[in-house]
Amino acid sequence: GDSVTQMEGPVTLSEEAFLTINCTYTATGYPSLFWYVQYPGEGLQLLLKATKADDKGSNKGFEATYRKETTSFHLEKGSVQVSDSAVYFCALSDLTGGSYIPTFGRGTSLIVHP
Amino acid sequence: DARVTQTPRHKVTEMGQEVTMRCQPILGHNTVFWYRQTMMQGLELLAYFRNRAPLDDSGMPKDRFSAEMPDATLATLKIQPSEPRDSAVYFCASAPWEGNIQYFGAGTRLSVL
Repeated sequence: GDSVTQMEGPVTLSEEAFLTINCTYTATGYPSLFWYVQYPGEGLQLLLKATKADDKGSNKGFEATYRKETTSFHLEKGSVQVSDSAVYFCALSDLTGGSYIPTFGRGTSLIVHP
Repeated sequence: DARVTQTPRHKVTEMGQEVTMRCQPILGHNTVFWYRQTMMQGLELLAYFRNRAPLDDSGMPKDRFSAEMPDATLATLKIQPSEPRDSAVYFCASAPWEGNIQYFGAGTRLSVL
């Protein structure tokens, strides 16, 4: 079946540092890829997405590029802020047996210190 | 600002009791999901509906869990009887169509004593 592997956290950074959270996937089809963010006490919310190879999703300074050759969708941000502290989930949606089954990674906790 | 609404936000109950969690998906969304989140297992997909019909509930313990959509504005997840290992945060999410962005509710935090 499909799977998503994220780097384990927590990732601890100082404000204005560069962020990379690695995500790789396995899929039987040609999935759409997503990054979601979860702030404490809240549900997940979409951060960005990409639907085909070489697409770059971007939002709020975060970026990720759909790399089919390496089956990766790494999340990056050039300068993190304390307010970026949250849990980040990489996810895919793949057509399986006539339905689009979503698959989420385990999540990576990001802690940004002032 | 359309959003997915889940009730209750918190539930504390005793082992053996029935628990019902409710979800109001965003109007017009045809796909609804139920997830369970724990520290140990992460985010697990329990059930998945398209146009109110269940498509996949393979992640759900069938002997005690049941999920339904009595109408397009309400999805329910029931646990009967509840057990301490069911303690978790349960999320509902809806999507305008399959494969697309999911919109999550704020979750129901369940504690079974």
